[in-house]
Amino acid sequence: GESVGLHLPTLSVQEGDNSIINCAYSNSASDYFIWYKQESGKGPQFIIDIRSNMDKRQGQRVTVLLNKTVKHLSLQIAATQPGDSAVYFCAETNNNDMRFGAGTRLTVKP
Amino acid sequence: KAGVTQTPRYLIKTRGQQVTLSCSPISGHRSVSWYQQTPGQGLQFLFEYFSETQRNKGNFPGRFSGRQFSNSRSEMNVSTLELGDSALYLCASRPGSGQGGSAAQYFGPGTRLLVL
Repeated sequence: GESVGLHLPTLSVQEGDNSIINCAYSNSASDYFIWYKQESGKGPQFIIDIRSNMDKRQGQRVTVLLNKTVKHLSLQIAATQPGDSAVYFCAETNNNDMRFGAGTRLTVKP
Repeated sequence: KAGVTQTPRYLIKTRGQQVTLSCSPISGHRSVSWYQQTPGQGLQFLFEYFSETQRNKGNFPGRFSGRQFSNSRSEMNVSTLELGDSALYLCASRPGSGQGGSAAQYFGPGTRLLVL
């Protein structure tokens, strides 16, 4: 079946380093791919999205890359800070529903 | 703008009971979606309401239902509660009239339901 999944369940990085969180998807019909951040005790927070006809989009300290050839999505966080520690979810949507990956826990070491 | 609010934040129920959760979207947002989050299944889509009509539905049994009011506030109801319904229930809102160049949904803090 079609699904959204993550390559790694946990990621630990040193403060100041760049982080890369990966996601694989299988639904070619999705219109948008989205990244969310969820901190403990809170709901997911929208970070950035990318439309299916794009391959790169940049935000503040974050970049999302979409490789449709291999159905891969990644989130790059520059100069990772302790406040970036959270669970990161990728999601895909075709305006009918939104399907989430399992999540990657990012831990930033001081 | 105020964010998405959900009430109550915590709830304890027993098997067989029913529960109603409430969500107030961001002002101006007409689409409200509900999700169930559990450690085992992750985030799963329940349903989406837009202009008081259910627009999309996930793969959950009929015990899960919802509605939306004319002011876009939404409620979801779970009848005949089972132990497996223990979860964090999240509500998310977005403008709803097309993607508008973004797929962003804005989540509330969730209602944590424990079924004993």
